[in-house]
Amino acid sequence: DAKTTQPPSMDCAEGRAANLPCNHSTISGNEYVYWYRQIHSQGPQYIIHGLKNNETNEMASLIITEDRKSSTLILPHATLRDTAVYYCIVSASNSGYSTLTFGKGTMLLVSP
Amino acid sequence: KAGVTQTPRYLIKTRGQQVTLSCSPISGHRSVSWYQQTPGQGLQFLFEYFSETQRNKGNFPGRFSGRQFSNSRSEMNVSTLELGDSALYLCASSPRGGLNTGELFFGEGSRLTVL
Repeated sequence: DAKTTQPPSMDCAEGRAANLPCNHSTISGNEYVYWYRQIHSQGPQYIIHGLKNNETNEMASLIITEDRKSSTLILPHATLRDTAVYYCIVSASNSGYSTLTFGKGTMLLVSP
Repeated sequence: KAGVTQTPRYLIKTRGQQVTLSCSPISGHRSVSWYQQTPGQGLQFLFEYFSETQRNKGNFPGRFSGRQFSNSRSEMNVSTLELGDSALYLCASSPRGGLNTGELFFGEGSRLTVL
């Protein structure tokens, strides 16, 4: 699996958009970009994933650059409950295995 | 719909003992995977089961083993416990067993402390 690079920490004011970057310069053509988050002492929670098109769901938006070497997760209106570690993961979908390689992620702190 | 259930949530063992952790996936999910989370190593993949067969295994010693039953429930066992096995053990289930499902559903984890 390709490696990802994320900033170790970010701050965001409550109500503002949180934009979390991820670099995945060695991503392969069949690898998806996944985002998960982990709130303290809980299991990771799936947020969103995409291949090359931008994606949006009720939680967030995922913007993938045209060359697919980087992406940004956008939480449009961050709340205190969005404080968590956010993991960007790239992984192939054709392995048939439900496995993910987690990096260190970005600790997002949302403050009042 | 009930989520992924892991038991026990907390347990304390001593070195040399063994431990068995249980995971009940979401109803209808056939794939169960296990992860270990420690402060130093982060989240690491242990193994994955699909239809009672181990399909993939991470880089862990043979002391770590698992199995899956016909109802998709899974157990993992760690024998001859070491201090370094202290961790949060997370189980995740997936409806079809392929990454293109896009989503793993994680349980709350079993926190193991080895003294």
